[in-house]
Amino acid sequence: GQQVMQIPQYQHVQEGEDFTTYCNSSTTLSNIQWYKQRPGGHPVFLIQLVKSGEVKKQKRLTFQFGEAKKNSSLHITATQTTDVGTYFCAGFYTGGFKTIFGAGTRLFVKA
Amino acid sequence: DSGVTQTPKHLITATGQRVTLRCSPRSGDLSVYWYQQSLDQGLQFLIQYYNGEERAKGNILERFSAQQFPDLHSELNLSSLELGDSALYFCASSVVAGAPPGELFFGEGSRLTVL
Repeated sequence: GQQVMQIPQYQHVQEGEDFTTYCNSSTTLSNIQWYKQRPGGHPVFLIQLVKSGEVKKQKRLTFQFGEAKKNSSLHITATQTTDVGTYFCAGFYTGGFKTIFGAGTRLFVKA
Repeated sequence: DSGVTQTPKHLITATGQRVTLRCSPRSGDLSVYWYQQSLDQGLQFLIQYYNGEERAKGNILERFSAQQFPDLHSELNLSSLELGDSALYFCASSVVAGAPPGELFFGEGSRLTVL
């Protein structure tokens, strides 16, 4: 079945350092979304990427969708303590009408 | 506030029992999704309904069932509960009627503890 692999599982950074999480699918995705879940909270939508090679930025966050539409990344520049949480990618597969979430990357930021 | 309402927020029950989790989607959203999140784990897709009809199915156990009612609220029924069913169950809804679904709006979840 469809699977979205996400690495790393955990990342500890010092405040001000950069952070990147990666997602990979074995099959082509229709689109990919990114969500953030704060500790004790629910997932909140960050962004959606649809086009091959698409790059979008939100302040310190940069999202990329691979040329083959099988991988994606989220990069945070100069992390802050408010960035703490788990970041999930979620890929949509046209054939199965399913949005499949990666396992998430839990980000810890030390002040 | 996402506009998606889930009840109950917390539920403690015993093995072998049956529970029902309820979800009211955002006003106007026709699609409802159920996800299971075990402790420090990812979101496992269970099932999706669109306007009352089952749209997609994930790794949902046979002991679990769901439905979406004419008023668009949805219920997830979990029966013959086992310890491993303890998890946070999220409901999400989306505004886009077609596929792909667009942004998913998540409720705050129902935390189920099976003792």
